[in-house]
Amino acid sequence: GQSLEQPSEVTAVEGAIVQINCTYQTSGFYGLSWYQQHDGGAPTFLSYNALDGLEETGRFSSFLSRSDSYGYLLLQELQMKDSASYFCAAMIYNQGGKLIFGQGTELSVKP
Amino acid sequence: AAGVIQSPRHLIKEKRETATLKCYPIPRHDTVYWYQQGPGQDPQFLISFYEKMQSDKGSIPDRFSAQQFSDYHSELNMSSLELGDSALYFCASSLGGSSYEQYFGPGTRLTVT
Repeated sequence: GQSLEQPSEVTAVEGAIVQINCTYQTSGFYGLSWYQQHDGGAPTFLSYNALDGLEETGRFSSFLSRSDSYGYLLLQELQMKDSASYFCAAMIYNQGGKLIFGQGTELSVKP
Repeated sequence: AAGVIQSPRHLIKEKRETATLKCYPIPRHDTVYWYQQGPGQDPQFLISFYEKMQSDKGSIPDRFSAQQFSDYHSELNMSSLELGDSALYFCASSLGGSSYEQYFGPGTRLTVT
């Protein structure tokens, strides 16, 4: 089956750096996306890695290693508003493309 | 900028009733995806459409059906509702058939009593 594993929760303080890891076991893997979701809200796209290496988008960076079936999301200069759930999602391409989500990591940013 | 529109935002139904959820993608987006998210869970892919044709199918019960219309809006029809169908249903849209960057709507919260 298709599965992605990430920690269920992470706590950090304002201004700090936090890394959320994701390991995956999938077939038809195309790339790894990251989404942010605030309580009761819609998931919002953050970043995507199709190739190995680091992608940087402002305070957020994402990394992928296909050989290790592993990726991470790095959040820098944490702000209170970053408290949310973060999902890694594998882009799977069989007939059409679809996202398979991990269980989500709840990030709590403390003052 | 225009976003994905879903209606209704909230829906309460009884067991064995039917429900229809609507999704209006971002203008010019040709691909629609449906997800179901239970409390404290991740979004589960149900089904997707590209250019009005079904492109992929996930864990969608046989009681559910969906289609994409000529104006690219999509509807998810749910019959013989069960208590376990209570969830947030998200529609997402993208351009180009299959995309890692999907734009999610605000969701429809379905409660089955």
